[in-house]
Amino acid sequence: DTAVSQTPKYLVTQMGNDKSIKCEQNLGHDTMYWYKQDSKKFLKIMFSYNNKELIINETVPNRFSPKSPDKAHLNLHINSLELGDSAVYFCASSQSTEAFFGQGTRLTVV
Amino acid sequence: GENVEQHPSTLSVQEGDSAVIKCTYSDSASNYFPWYKQELGKRPQLIIDIRSNVGEKKDQRIAVTLNKTAKHFSLHITETQPEDSAVYFCAASTGSGGSNYKLTFGKGTLLTVNP
Repeated sequence: DTAVSQTPKYLVTQMGNDKSIKCEQNLGHDTMYWYKQDSKKFLKIMFSYNNKELIINETVPNRFSPKSPDKAHLNLHINSLELGDSAVYFCASSQSTEAFFGQGTRLTVV
Repeated sequence: GENVEQHPSTLSVQEGDSAVIKCTYSDSASNYFPWYKQELGKRPQLIIDIRSNVGEKKDQRIAVTLNKTAKHFSLHITETQPEDSAVYFCAASTGSGGSNYKLTFGKGTLLTVNP
């Protein structure tokens, strides 16, 4: 009965590859996010979507392309992966205040 | 945009002692201030939050205070236990949801409670 679920949990890939992370929430929330947590544990917002519409894009490189087919899903596609993309990526959703996070996807680029 | 500063970055206390983590924010329009706890390898989870129309809120051993004038808010944990060991994040947001909603996080505090 997971509220926010993202897959995969772990992703190891070579530089230059393209990969996707999927996120789904069953809370009926209107707003979904992608956050990046680097090795120093800093949580930085990447994207925010409200009812499938992009609201916030925090100067993320064009290689990152979010897609929201409906308000319950927000997927993240990353092209031409670089070593610096290695991090934990968290999906989250909210309705007005509290943000609920997915379990995270640990991306390692080698 | 909003900027949230959090101190200290690491905090080590003895079991039973109190722990205080402080945050400041820059945007006077921010009106919602949650605190998240992230255990090692886990997702961040909300532990307590406060809105700008309230100065203090308490939930058992955890309390949060807010000073809107000074743009400060703090997390207080009393009678700390080893299971309180985690990274704690403060955050601030403007708007009440939808297109205006954005959570900006502090850089986190690694709290270690020594038995």
